[in-house]
Amino acid sequence: EAGVAQSPRYKIIEKRQSVAFWCNPISGHATLYWYQQILGQGPKLLIQFQNNGVVDDSQLPKDRFSAERLKGVDSTLKIQPAKLEDSAVYLCASTGGRGRGPRVGAFFGQGTRLTVV
Amino acid sequence: GESVGLHLPTLSVQEGDNSIINCAYSNSASDYFIWYKQESGKGPQFIIDIRSNMDKRQGQRVTVLLNKTVKHLSLQIAATQPGDSAVYFCAETLRGGKLIFGQGTELSVKP
Repeated sequence: EAGVAQSPRYKIIEKRQSVAFWCNPISGHATLYWYQQILGQGPKLLIQFQNNGVVDDSQLPKDRFSAERLKGVDSTLKIQPAKLEDSAVYLCASTGGRGRGPRVGAFFGQGTRLTVV
Repeated sequence: GESVGLHLPTLSVQEGDNSIINCAYSNSASDYFIWYKQESGKGPQFIIDIRSNMDKRQGQRVTVLLNKTVKHLSLQIAATQPGDSAVYFCAETLRGGKLIFGQGTELSVKP
């Protein structure tokens, strides 16, 4: 079974530039999450999708971050414009659970490491 | 506010010893808890979970204990091996599926 795919693995941009990350969840998983993980900290939830609808985006900095999951499968997360403090690993996770959070069999991708200079 | 985890964390153990990693959570309404293992350059990997109506659950070499009275969670790893070296996160699930991670504990296993 293929895991959660994310790309790119690494990205270096200058502040004020824009960047986009892509995630392809496990086939059939209805719930998709984007997390931000700053070095030395636990992952912080940015947004949670159930199919193509947003369940929770309360911690998404909406002035600069946006995410979509148009067809309920792949998802993209965008930052525009980027700030130095956005340097982090961006993790995507998916689960077949019905909005109950990552459960047994919840899978994370390897993440995209973003460096803003 | 929402918070899970302790502010620390490095735990160094000898290979073959048992490891105990602790975690405090703050939301009494959480009903599902998970321990994740994260190796360098990889995403978190599910280890074991426990529901709030349980106080103990065992897996292969791992045991999770839940004390709802003091809102405390622990992960016990038996006969710790070098491959267990990683950062361990506890996480709690809130209503609607929101998963909150703690800050993590780095486990270092000495051969």
